[in-house]
Amino acid sequence: EAQVTQNPRYLITVTGKKLTVTCSQNMNHEYMSWYRQDPGLGLRQIYYSMNVEVTDKGDVPEGYKVSRKEKRNFPLILESPSPNQTSLYFCASSHQRGGYNEQFFGPGTRLTVL
Amino acid sequence: DAKTTQPPSMDCAEGRAANLPCNHSTISGNEYVYWYRQIHSQGPQYIIHGLKNNETNEMASLIITEDRKSSTLILPHATLRDTAVYYCIAPSGTYKYIFGTGTRLKVLA
Repeated sequence: EAQVTQNPRYLITVTGKKLTVTCSQNMNHEYMSWYRQDPGLGLRQIYYSMNVEVTDKGDVPEGYKVSRKEKRNFPLILESPSPNQTSLYFCASSHQRGGYNEQFFGPGTRLTVL
Repeated sequence: DAKTTQPPSMDCAEGRAANLPCNHSTISGNEYVYWYRQIHSQGPQYIIHGLKNNETNEMASLIITEDRKSSTLILPHATLRDTAVYYCIAPSGTYKYIFGTGTRLKVLA
């Protein structure tokens, strides 16, 4: 089944404790992206990757790192999480074709930073 | 950056057409308009996209004005399962996407 998976789905952590949220897709998509969703703010793009070893900042990259060493994986790294990073996080992937892309989203990771 | 404007909420009677408007007056000439929806806190789901012409698929129809400054998503026969938040998106450059806060559609029985 074609899908985007995220792990963990739920995480409660404390300020300053490094964490990684994994994202994996099995559709051989070139493009992958991370979003966060907060009440009243909709989805905001954190980072995106056009292909292996090619990443760029979205609208809210501060406090996050990403890497794209393999085509299927795009982990989101919080080196020193803070309470303002408490949010619902979504990973998405898509092909890049004809100037447009249809993004497939993962189920989300609900992160709480205490 | 391209920006979209949508009404925060709409109601629609079950079985009737739901028409969801979107203003994207700053969209560039070669940028697509995309529509997604999100049910509860699930991952957003792609619905449809368009450039200049009207588009239709098994889920919805998309009507784009000739000047491309606005569009309307049409769900021809809304069901209770169509209750969701609908996002109209115009890319900001090739790879950046701004979802905004969308329209919360409530389909009423």
